[in-house]
Amino acid sequence: ILNVEQSPQSLHVQEGDSTNFTCSFPSSNFYALHWYRWETAKSPEALFVMTLNGDEKKKGRISATLNTKEGYSYLYIKGSQPEDSATYLCAFRTGTASKLTFGTGTRLQVTL
Amino acid sequence: NAGVTQTPKFQVLKTGQSMTLQCAQDMNHNSMYWYRQDPGMGLRLIYYSASEGTTDKGEVPNGYNVSRLNKREFSLRLESAAPSQTSVYFCAAAGLPHTDTQYFGPGTRLTVL
Repeated sequence: ILNVEQSPQSLHVQEGDSTNFTCSFPSSNFYALHWYRWETAKSPEALFVMTLNGDEKKKGRISATLNTKEGYSYLYIKGSQPEDSATYLCAFRTGTASKLTFGTGTRLQVTL
Repeated sequence: NAGVTQTPKFQVLKTGQSMTLQCAQDMNHNSMYWYRQDPGMGLRLIYYSASEGTTDKGEVPNGYNVSRLNKREFSLRLESAAPSQTSVYFCAAAGLPHTDTQYFGPGTRLTVL
């Protein structure tokens, strides 16, 4: 069973703060790393899919980086807003499988 | 274009009862997945179907069976429900071979008494 770890488990920041989370995954046989945003009572929604070492992706105030050699990805949120409150999941795929292994997520709470 | 749909949205079963959770997608995606979500456990893969006509076990397949009826539909069956199967079940579909972005249905909240 592949181990995908996310830290911290939860995070509480104030509006306007910038924050970042970490996803760690096995560095061997890497194929792709996904980030999803999951709001309470809704379904997970894809943010980014990254496949190359050094990849950087950006969507508005959210960005992500990827280091496949050392097995980690960072997700950054600049100037957090209350609507950013959600659980952020990362998921890892190896080259031999057509399935994703999800981490347990980082729960972000942004308050005014 | 509804994306991924799941029925029912909610269900309460008694121990030992059986039921089938339905999932359908209109995105013409090849791969479909069933997950369960439990507090503190994230999303755990139950079964998946990489393409029409194939199914494979995921991380937690015991107590479940699946059917990939056609390209659109992927059902999950509980033959004899147990309280440990109380969970929220999500179906997902993915199609692009290089990105595999998964699109999730709205979920089914199942309670087994």
